[in-house]
Parts: sequence; C-alpha cells; structure tokens
Amino acid sequence: GAVVSQHPSRVICKSGTSVKIECRSLDFQATTMFWYRQFPKQSLMLMATSNEGSKATYEQGVEKDKFLINHASLTLSTLTVTSAHPEDSSFYICSTRGQGKFYEQYFGPGTRLTVT
Amino acid sequence: GENVEQHPSTLSVQEGDSAVIKCTYSDSASNYFPWYKQELGKRPQLIIDIRSNVGEKKDQRIAVTLNKTAKHFSLHITETQPEDSAVYFCAANAGNMLTFGGGTRLMVKP
Repeated sequence: GAVVSQHPSRVICKSGTSVKIECRSLDFQATTMFWYRQFPKQSLMLMATSNEGSKATYEQGVEKDKFLINHASLTLSTLTVTSAHPEDSSFYICSTRGQGKFYEQYFGPGTRLTVT
Repeated sequence: GENVEQHPSTLSVQEGDSAVIKCTYSDSASNYFPWYKQELGKRPQLIIDIRSNVGEKKDQRIAVTLNKTAKHFSLHITETQPEDSAVYFCAANAGNMLTFGGGTRLMVKP
C-alpha cells in the first residue's frame, strides 16, 4: 500500500492560536487526499477532500474558514486549524487514495491535537 | 448519501474462537467495501476489502462476505489471537469517497 506520513504526531497549543498539520505521500503522487477527524472511541469523520491545485471540498458542517486546507503539490497537503478552541482537540488523520486504485485509501499515522 | 451501520460496537471472545462483525449500507450504487483495523493511538490499516463482483474473499484467518441484495457485508476472523484485539471499521464507497461504520472494539481474551 501507499506510504503516508503526518507531522507533527502530537501538538499542544493555546486557545486562539493556529496549528498546521502536514500530510505527505512518500511513494507516489497523490492528486487527492482526505482529512478525517476522530474523537475518542468514535469513528472516522470525513472533514474534507483535498485536491491538488484546486480548492478543497468540505463536508457539511465543517467550517472552511476554520479548517484551511492547502494541497499545493502532489505529495503534500496541509490542514491549518485556525483560532483553535478546546473543542477542536481531536485526532486528525489524513489519507491518500492508492495509486491506480480508485477507492482504496491509506492513512497517515495521525496527529493528536490538544488545545488548552 | 451513504449510511453505514456496524454491529456490534463491542465484542469479546476467547482466544481461538471466531469473531464476526456485520455492516449494512444504504446506497445500492456502492461497489467497494474495505475493512480497517485500528490499534489504540495508531492509524487505521486496511486488512481486507471486497468489490461487488464477488461474494466472498479470504486471506488466511480473515474473510469477508458480501450480500448485495440485502446490502450487508461481514468480517469473519477465525482462530482469534490476542493481537487481533483492536477496533475494526467497515466502510463503503459513496462515489470516490468512503463512509465508515461506527467501529467494533474486539477484545480477545487469552
């Protein structure tokens, strides 16, 4: 499967600050990446689909001005949580669609965000 | 859009026994059904998947069955081992994206 990295793995920030999370596809060029959010003991909730060279597509209920997504290259997508609040604390995971596989997704290791 | 229901939410089995997790989906156009295993604090890992042109697929101790008419699919793990303990998620595609079930926490007691 595809190799996906995420950075940082953990981050603690103060309320009101912004945090950037990077998602990298290490072994192939990913035109599409997905960003998920996972609360403790809950399922994966799709936040947005990140498309290289164009605007991200956000799921209903996800604030695009709060969760800024940039997919400027075929190997890197970033998620910036702006003006973070404690309720934004969660596990954020990206995934890429496998090369040549239309539906398979391979996940990054996730980023645990804690907002104090 | 697609809706995926997964049962049970928790499952406890004795080592060596079999475990079965079931999922139903709503969109009859879905044609790809993967299963992911997620250990605590780690990424979901794809363990097996099935496409709508087959009814069953096996890979060593794990198998998945699909009933397109009834819109349900199941994961079967035989001869369970303690290292099988994890949260398992089913998913179904809605167009190019995946919709996940709520997850099943499997505990295998030694």
